[in-house]
Amino acid sequence: DGGITQSPKYLFRKEGQNVTLSCEQNLNHDAMYWYRQDPGQGLRLIYYSQIVNDFQKGDIAEGYSVSREKKESFPLTVTSAQKNPTAFYLCASSRVQEQFFGPGTRLTVL
Amino acid sequence: GENVGLHLPTLSVQEGDNSIINCAYSNSASDYFIWYKQESGKGPQFIIDIRSNMDKRQGQRVTVLLNKTVKHLSLQIAATQPGDSAVYFCAEIHMNTGFQKLVFGTGTRLLVSP
Repeated sequence: DGGITQSPKYLFRKEGQNVTLSCEQNLNHDAMYWYRQDPGQGLRLIYYSQIVNDFQKGDIAEGYSVSREKKESFPLTVTSAQKNPTAFYLCASSRVQEQFFGPGTRLTVL
Repeated sequence: GENVGLHLPTLSVQEGDNSIINCAYSNSASDYFIWYKQESGKGPQFIIDIRSNMDKRQGQRVTVLLNKTVKHLSLQIAATQPGDSAVYFCAEIHMNTGFQKLVFGTGTRLLVSP
């Protein structure tokens, strides 16, 4: 059963804490992406990775970090430097044009 | 600059009607367009795509039309069903040195009444 999984589904964080969101795919895709979605808004690109051990900043990378040690995994860390982290976070992967999305993680800062 | 937007934020239709969701884009160099459906609390799902060298593509109950002259994209859903209720996004793909960057519009909410 191929696809993209994200965990956890819901995450709560206190101000000043770093948190890491998990994204795993078994589609054998080279490229992976992280997006942020705010209520009533479209998706904005945080980071992307075209290949293992390589990643690039997207449009809103400040306050976030990523790693790509394995093809299947692309975790996103939301650091305390991110001033407004409450949002819905979506991970995606692609081989050619189409991007496949995971179910998302809703992060709430208390 | 890059801009992909939508004409209508909310579209309400009756079950069985045909729905048309519109999208405007500003970058004529885009290679590819995708329509996604997003249900509440879930990730976007691919519906249909169209290449920039085409003007129409049909799927099951859905048709995408591309008018490059006026930079307009539309999604037509035939015989709309309550299960079609969701937010629909158009996305524009820019191929940049092999990396496909999607630019998303803000979305249109489709509400289908039984």
